Amino acid sequence: AQKVTQAQTEISVVEKEDVTLDCVYETRDTTYYLFWYKQPPSGELVFLIRRNSFDEQNEISGRYSWNFQKSTSSFNFTITASQVVDSAVYFCALSQNRGDQGAQKLVFGQGTRLTINP
Amino acid sequence: ETGVTQSPTHLIKTRGQQVTLRCSSQSGHNTVSWYQQALGQGPQFIFQYYREEENGRGNFPPRFSGLQFPNYSSELNVNALELDDSALYLCASTLGAGGPMNEQFFGPGTRLTVL
Repeated sequence: AQKVTQAQTEISVVEKEDVTLDCVYETRDTTYYLFWYKQPPSGELVFLIRRNSFDEQNEISGRYSWNFQKSTSSFNFTITASQVVDSAVYFCALSQNRGDQGAQKLVFGQGTRLTINP
Repeated sequence: ETGVTQSPTHLIKTRGQQVTLRCSSQSGHNTVSWYQQALGQGPQFIFQYYREEENGRGNFPPRFSGLQFPNYSSELNVNALELDDSALYLCASTLGAGGPMNEQFFGPGTRLTVL
């Protein structure tokens, strides 16, 4: 069975601090995909990044960076120099490539509520 | 904005009633997935429709059903509503089924309250 765990329920930091959101996943598949989504108060899930299980290269995009470590089944997300607009709930999700076998479903963690205080 | 729209925005129903939620997918997307997000939880997969047929289902009872139309818009129907059905219902569209390399684009959701 697939499972995603986000142990941090809530994080609160002061603006300009760096913050890391943790994600640990479980899967028996050798091919899988990992995602991070952001959910602002409006409710719409906003796609941030996708990584496949064969690509452990870490990525930096502006103030965002991701650390994928297959050995520890972790896919952590860091915001540097945080801003008030980064306040949202962040979800880590896992998906399998089922090809013709059926739907691609996303398995989400419980989310981390991030509050950036001015 | 993702181009995925959902209606209505909010809905209040009483236990035992039936409800229909609607989703218009992003232009050109032929696959629609539905998720239920209870308060304080992550979204849970309900089912997916690809080319007007159900293409996979999560752990939800048969009173959760759906439809997809030729224009790829979709409906989620819930019969015999229970209090625990109160949640945000999210619709996501994507191009093609079974390929997670294709990003899912989410709508703003419908907030359902069952009293």
